[in-house]
Amino acid sequence: AQSVTQLGSHVSVSEGALVLLRCNYSSSVPPYLFWYVQYPNQGLQLLLKYTSAATLVKGINGFEAEFKKSETSFHLTKPSAHMSDAAEYFCAVRGGGTSYGKLTFGQGTILTVHP
Amino acid sequence: NAGVTQTPKFQVLKTGQSMTLQCAQDMNHEYMSWYRQDPGMGLRLIHYSVGAGITDQGEVPNGYNVSRSTTEDFPLRLLSAAPSQTSVYFCASSWDSNQPQHFGDGTRLSIL
Repeated sequence: AQSVTQLGSHVSVSEGALVLLRCNYSSSVPPYLFWYVQYPNQGLQLLLKYTSAATLVKGINGFEAEFKKSETSFHLTKPSAHMSDAAEYFCAVRGGGTSYGKLTFGQGTILTVHP
Repeated sequence: NAGVTQTPKFQVLKTGQSMTLQCAQDMNHEYMSWYRQDPGMGLRLIHYSVGAGITDQGEVPNGYNVSRSTTEDFPLRLLSAAPSQTSVYFCASSWDSNQPQHFGDGTRLSIL
């Protein structure tokens, strides 16, 4: 079965600072990996996805993530935080085997951006 | 284009009552799923469907039923509501299980 661990339930940065949100996964098959963002009282929106093409994936709003197989990681970064980035972020992995097609989400990381 | 529409947005039930959460999508997606979101636990898959007439259980299916009679609709039924089912419920759809899912805005359900 697949699993996702997001390190840090809360991350706080200053406006203009680097954003780094950590995600580690386990999967019995080559994974499909996703990052979603959730703004208050809304559903989830896709930021980016990894589907075994380029290991560095660029998404919307200046975010990107790098797939590192050796570290089983898919960390999300943004060079310069903006106030509008404040939200909750979820990493997810699509399963294989008996879990084929099922998305497993991490616990979420709440990003706070200070002026 | 409405995307994924969930109704109602809010609901309060008493223990033992039943209800149906509605989900409709207008993108002709084959794959639909229901999640519940609880603080600190991310989203957990309740049930999913890979097409009309086909449903399967997810991680936390107990106490919930689903059916998929049409491509567009995927209702979630609570048979006998319990306080442990207090949560925010999200419906999502995609072309297939490998594609990113489109999410509705959620239904906030409280069970007293």
